[in-house]
This record gives sequence, structure tokens and C-alpha cells, in this order.
Amino acid sequence: DVKVTQSSRYLVKRTGEKVFLECVQDMDHENMFWYRQDPGLGLRLIYFSYDVKMKEKGDIPEGYSVSREKKERFSLILESASTNQTSMYLCASSLSLGRGNQPQHFGDGTRLSIL
Amino acid sequence: DQQVKQNSPSLSVQEGRISILNCDYTNSMFDYFLWYKKYPAEGPTFLISISSIKDKNEDGRFTVFLNKSAKHLSLHIVPSQPGDSAVYFCAASAWDRGNEKLTFGTGTRLTIIP
Repeated sequence: DVKVTQSSRYLVKRTGEKVFLECVQDMDHENMFWYRQDPGLGLRLIYFSYDVKMKEKGDIPEGYSVSREKKERFSLILESASTNQTSMYLCASSLSLGRGNQPQHFGDGTRLSIL
Repeated sequence: DQQVKQNSPSLSVQEGRISILNCDYTNSMFDYFLWYKKYPAEGPTFLISISSIKDKNEDGRFTVFLNKSAKHLSLHIVPSQPGDSAVYFCAASAWDRGNEKLTFGTGTRLTIIP
């Protein structure tokens, strides 16, 4: 079974802090993704990565950055946290088989509160 | 602009009956569709998918139907069980600037009444 592990289930930070959310997958997947989930808005893609040291902006990248130094690990960084970044953050990974239509597998999420 | 829409935020169904969840999309470039199920405090779990070259895919109690001309897909669960109570997300995949991306709907909360 694919295991996607997010380092924290709950996190409380203050406005202006730099925040790191960590995600590790154990299935040697090439692709990794960061989403945020908000009521009434579904899941929105923040950033994704198709290879080590590679990153692409998703639909809502403003205020975020990412790092992928190793294949299994994908970090989301909030450069200067703001209250509108309070949300549930979900990490996902998937295989890359060309245009193979592989489903994404999700971690259990990090509920982040910015005070 | 919501490219994938789930117009019913919630749905209640009696145990043993059929649950039908609906999803509409606007982007004709989508060619692969998925349903995810999410329990509170857990991440979404992949449930079933369908390629645009098919109009039906079945896996046990779950069947997904795709109507490309109407840009509509639906998930049928029969018979519905209490453990099916969850939020269901529809997602659609398209090839975008050399990468494959998923676009999610806003979710439908399904409640199965014992």
C-alpha cells in the first residue's frame, strides 16, 4: 500500500512566521503535489513536482514555495504566514507512466491555524 | 471559474438504497475522471476512475458513468451502507503544459441513514 506521511496533523503558528509542512512518500513515486482544502472550495492545487529539484506552480501558488531535494520528500513553505492561509493542507503522490492516468494517493492532511 | 462542479453539497440516502452523486465539467480537454472519498480527519482515498474512451466502469458496489456529450459523470453506489457516509470529490485530469493535473469539484457530503 502507498503511504504518504505528513509530519504534523495539527499546527498552530503566528502571523508572519515562516512555516514548513513536510511530506514523505514511500513508493518511489515521481510526482508529488500540495493542495489546500477549504469549505465550499474543494481541493485547490498549490504546487507540484514531477522530479527532484523540479517544481511547477499550481492554481494558487501566491504566498507559498516548495522544495524537493529528494525524490521521497516534498516540502511546502509559507514564507510569511497570514491568517488567510489557515486551512487543511493535503500532500499527494502518484506514479508517472507517461500519460498513464495514475491516481494520486493522499496523506491525512495537516490542519494549519494561523493566529 | 469552476471547471468541475458538484452542485449538490449534501445528499441523504436510506441504507440499502442507491446513492447517485453527480458531477459536471466544462473543459473538453479533460480525458480521465476520478472519484475520491474522504472521511473527517483523513486524506481523500481513491475510489474509482474512468477514461474518456469508456462510458461506464464498475467496481463492486461502485459504478461510474460518463456522458461526454453532456460533460457529466455520476457515481452510483448500490446498495448504500452506513460506512459510505463521507464526502465524495469528483476530479478530472488534463494534460497541461506538458504535465498532468487534477481539477477537483467542491465535494458532496453523503449521509447514509440506517
